[in-house]
Amino acid sequence: EVQLVESGGGLVQPGRSLRLSCAASGFTFDAYAMHWVRQAPGKGLEWVSGISWNSGDIGYADSVKGRFTISRDNAKNSLYLQMNSLRAEDMAFYYCTKGQYQLLSPHLFDYWGQGTLVTVSS
Amino acid sequence: QSALTQEASVSGTVGQKVTLSCTGNSNNIGSYAVGWYQQISHGAPKTVMFGNSLPSGIPDRFSGSKSGTTASLTISGLQPEDEANYYCSTWDYSLSAHVFGTGTKVTVL
Repeated sequence: EVQLVESGGGLVQPGRSLRLSCAASGFTFDAYAMHWVRQAPGKGLEWVSGISWNSGDIGYADSVKGRFTISRDNAKNSLYLQMNSLRAEDMAFYYCTKGQYQLLSPHLFDYWGQGTLVTVSS
Repeated sequence: QSALTQEASVSGTVGQKVTLSCTGNSNNIGSYAVGWYQQISHGAPKTVMFGNSLPSGIPDRFSGSKSGTTASLTISGLQPEDEANYYCSTWDYSLSAHVFGTGTKVTVL
């Protein structure tokens, strides 16, 4: 059974940093692209970032480019999102999602974690 | 501003067929497969369709199709447990980003 478990969310002040983690199990982690998708309270889904199976291809939404960094450790079956210079508009549930195939694009998402909440407030 | 446009809401009675649409352009839907994701009561999303293929465990009353720059998700035989928000998504090569639709709330009357 595929499981994606996010952690690292919490309350953070504007301008500060936070690192999210996603622990994956139930599939061959290093064979698939992985992504972060977020949802602000009462809003729709927004793709944040994605990384190919071997970290050779990485992409970011314009809204986070230059502030967020995605990475993965295939030996630990883990995905990360380093979030710097956080803003109020970054407040959201952050979901870890598994890509259908190895590459970042143009493939779709097949499994989702339960999400971790990031609250940005002073 | 979302790159993909969906109806805000769709409703139907139990057993009825409902169709949700997702409209984009040649840079996204016109070029790539579309995924559909169900979100019940603000819980975690669940994938209910890849293009026109059904993920394992999803009932076959769900079906997907695409024509030009519009994709559709049809629920044939609406059930109470289908009440949820549904989002479409695909890759957009001009944006070099995955894009989501605005979301459709399905209500079972």
